[in-house]
Amino acid sequence: QKEVEQNSGPLSVPEGAIASLNCTYSDRGSQSFFWYRQYSGKSPELIMSIYSNGDKEDGRFTAQLNKASQYVSLLIRDSQPSDSATYLCAGTFSGGYNKLIFGAGTRLAVHP
Amino acid sequence: DAGVIQSPRHEVTEMGQEVTLRCKPISGHDYLFWYRQTMMRGLELLIYFNNNVPIDDSGMPEDRFSAKMPNASFSTLKIQPSEPRDSAVYFCASSPDGLHYGYTFGSGTRLTVV
Repeated sequence: QKEVEQNSGPLSVPEGAIASLNCTYSDRGSQSFFWYRQYSGKSPELIMSIYSNGDKEDGRFTAQLNKASQYVSLLIRDSQPSDSATYLCAGTFSGGYNKLIFGAGTRLAVHP
Repeated sequence: DAGVIQSPRHEVTEMGQEVTLRCKPISGHDYLFWYRQTMMRGLELLIYFNNNVPIDDSGMPEDRFSAKMPNASFSTLKIQPSEPRDSAVYFCASSPDGLHYGYTFGSGTRLTVV
């Protein structure tokens, strides 16, 4: 069973702080990982992808991947109330299947 | 680019009725995915297509569900007969390669079976 695990939250942070979202996965053969943001009542929106060990930065977002620990994280710097949403971690898995398996998502609340 | 287009946005139907959900992927995307999202189970992959061919339907819950992709610009997900436990938001997503570029999701169809 391929699994992606996330803490459901809510994770509450003050405006301007760093929000840290975490995700673990079960399949060591996993290749690619993605972070999606989903506002209430809306569809998931891709915000970051990461394929190699290490950090990848895009604006206020930094994705981190550690394949040895089977761990993916997303850091949001200078958090804004508009960042309040559910963040979904997703990964592709070994076996030649080009499909994304999603975690249950972490709800982030940024309060002024 | 209009993105992934799904219809209808909302569907309310009575138990036992047939329901058909529709999806138009982004032009040039070779992969199309159908997901279902509920509070209890999150986003579940139902089936996906590559170049209009079904590749993996292991997530289809039972024989009441079927999906087709007659051409590169259109796919349907059909539930017959529908049951209250099928109530969920159904998303269609497409991707250029299904691996490196992630997916683009449509706006979803909120299905309520009463």
